[in-house]
Amino acid sequence: NAGVMQNPRHLVRRRGQEARLRCSPMKGHSHVYWYRQLPEEGLKFMVYLQKENIIDESGMPKERFSAEFPKEGPSILRIQQVVRGDSAAYFCASSPFPQGRLNTEAFFGQGTRLTVV
Amino acid sequence: QQQVKQSPQSLIVQKGGISIINCAYENTAFDYFPWYQQFPGKGPALLIAIRPDVSEKKEGRFTISFNKSAKQFSLHIMDSQPGDSATYFCAAGTDSWGKLQFGAGTQVVVTP
Repeated sequence: NAGVMQNPRHLVRRRGQEARLRCSPMKGHSHVYWYRQLPEEGLKFMVYLQKENIIDESGMPKERFSAEFPKEGPSILRIQQVVRGDSAAYFCASSPFPQGRLNTEAFFGQGTRLTVV
Repeated sequence: QQQVKQSPQSLIVQKGGISIINCAYENTAFDYFPWYQQFPGKGPALLIAIRPDVSEKKEGRFTISFNKSAKQFSLHIMDSQPGDSATYFCAAGTDSWGKLQFGAGTQVVVTP
């Protein structure tokens, strides 16, 4: 019973390159959330997706960032033309229902640590 | 703006002591308050959560106290152990949202 799988665990990109972060939710989970964690800070919500739908992207920068959760396959967080300020740990969480409903827990992956050089 | 404020930033406690972490929130629509534990290099893991209809919830050595009128909640770790050394995050959310607002975290170090 695998947990939330994120890959790669570590990603190094040069400024201007694209970063693609993948998240495979737990089996049976159709709700995915992406969070960003800067060093010494808490997690900041970026986007909430269900299969094939973006439910809430209020925490995602309007430019260069996009997310998808296709019918088949993992959820992808894509960062185009990365800059040094994008260096952070990106965590994905999944749940079978919206987080908070009926005491539903969202399970977090181990994160992808993006370093922009 | 920080919707959930957490203190202290760090905490050192002796083995067997009590660790207390406090959080305050502004948005009265929040009705779900979880605490997460995170070890270095790992993702956050849910420790314990509470809803505003109760003032206290206890699970093992971990207790959440909730004060709805003051819009504050706290985590108490009783009989702290070295294995409890981690970063603890409070968070808040609502049933109708699929997202959580996190506090900035408290690094807890339990000395032997």
